[in-house]
Amino acid sequence: DIVMTQGALPNPVPSGESASITCQSSKSLLHSNGKTYLNWYLQRPGQSPQLLIYWMSTRASGVSDRFSGSGSGTDFTLKISSVEAEDVGVYYCQQFLEYPLTFGSGTKLEIK
Amino acid sequence: EVLLQQSGAELVRPGSSVKISCKASGYTFTDYYMHWVKQRPEQGLVWIGRINPANGNTVYAEKFKSKATLTADKSSNTAYMQLSSLTSEDTATYFCTRGPGWYFDFWGPGTMVTVSS
Repeated sequence: DIVMTQGALPNPVPSGESASITCQSSKSLLHSNGKTYLNWYLQRPGQSPQLLIYWMSTRASGVSDRFSGSGSGTDFTLKISSVEAEDVGVYYCQQFLEYPLTFGSGTKLEIK
Repeated sequence: EVLLQQSGAELVRPGSSVKISCKASGYTFTDYYMHWVKQRPEQGLVWIGRINPANGNTVYAEKFKSKATLTADKSSNTAYMQLSSLTSEDTATYFCTRGPGWYFDFWGPGTMVTVSS
């Protein structure tokens, strides 16, 4: 199975500051078609997860442009520019390259 | 509008089984895989498996192969997951989520299953 490892944030993050969440995969997520099958989700407190970024850097419909994804085949970053109160929650990376689909353990974001 | 409506919370006895449902609306049910994800209290997300509602084809994570059974009813646009031989380790919230290909774009609200005597 592909293991996804997420980094922690130096919480709390001051409102208006940027925050970067890292994720590393145990296998390259770069597909032969050139796409990288790495997704990011946000789970706000008490809610279901929601898709933020897919194919490593494509924002999902309706997602603020304050969210951006980048990386290589095995190392990824989700950057949130100018964090806001509504960004509070747990962020998960996920690989969609092969079954079984796997998630990182989550990174909690708190705002000051 | 795409909606995934899940059945209500369940309190079940150890050793028993439970079947939870996920009714889809707002799209063609057979055009998208339905996935199921487990989340234990204060824990992360774990993928259980997925079903192709068009033909019933399923794929499971290894650890859920003898625990979960995924089915789908095209006539009612509803996906089901049955969990068997329940233990306290199965106490969790279970989400259904639509998979258009390479990500999960819509999620149900979750069904909380509590296993307790």
